[in-house]
Amino acid sequence: EAGVAQSPRYKIIEKRQSVAFWCNPISGHATLYWYQQILGQGPKLLIQFQNNGVVDDSQLPKDRFSAERLKGVDSTLKIQPAKLEDSAVYLCASSRITGTGSYEQYFGPGTRLTVT
Amino acid sequence: AQSVSQHNHHVILSEAASLELGCNYSYGGTVNLFWYVQYPGQHLQLLLKYFSGDPLVKGIKGFEAEFIKSKFSFNLRKPSVQWSDTAEYFCAVNVRTGGFKTIFGAGTRLFVKA
Repeated sequence: EAGVAQSPRYKIIEKRQSVAFWCNPISGHATLYWYQQILGQGPKLLIQFQNNGVVDDSQLPKDRFSAERLKGVDSTLKIQPAKLEDSAVYLCASSRITGTGSYEQYFGPGTRLTVT
Repeated sequence: AQSVSQHNHHVILSEAASLELGCNYSYGGTVNLFWYVQYPGQHLQLLLKYFSGDPLVKGIKGFEAEFIKSKFSFNLRKPSVQWSDTAEYFCAVNVRTGGFKTIFGAGTRLFVKA
């Protein structure tokens, strides 16, 4: 099966500019995640969708970050305006739904964002 | 707040040495436990998982992990590492908070000398 696709792979912007990332999950995976991974740290969940509804966005900085998942498939994550501390790798992952939480997540290659 | 701690940030071993990477979590409720691995230039991928049953679970490439509920630990082991095990290893915990939320540790970079 095709993996999780993300674009772009790299992005360099200046602070206060806006940027958008795109993710296409594995076909049939109802749950989609966006993570932020700062250098030297583990991935931090920003937002989790189940189909096109938000399950958890408690760690999403909502004053500058937004995300949507139209039609329960593709998703976009936007930052507006960007700050220097947003420099990180943004990972998208997807998984099937199970009632026990035993699902594994499949990760995309990530987008490396550098804010100058 | 829930958290996951990985005790070693960097580990250097020679080939054939034994490996144990520590992982502890802070959450008293229902959890599912995972180890993910990221090889150089590749995506994060699942190494092994535990959600019920035998607390000693086996994963790919000869890795295993033991869940010790009383210690809130899920340590990763391999009896004899190979150069190809050079990678970054992440412990992750799914905690039930309504649905399931995933929390990752900071990761351990393993370098195996040939």
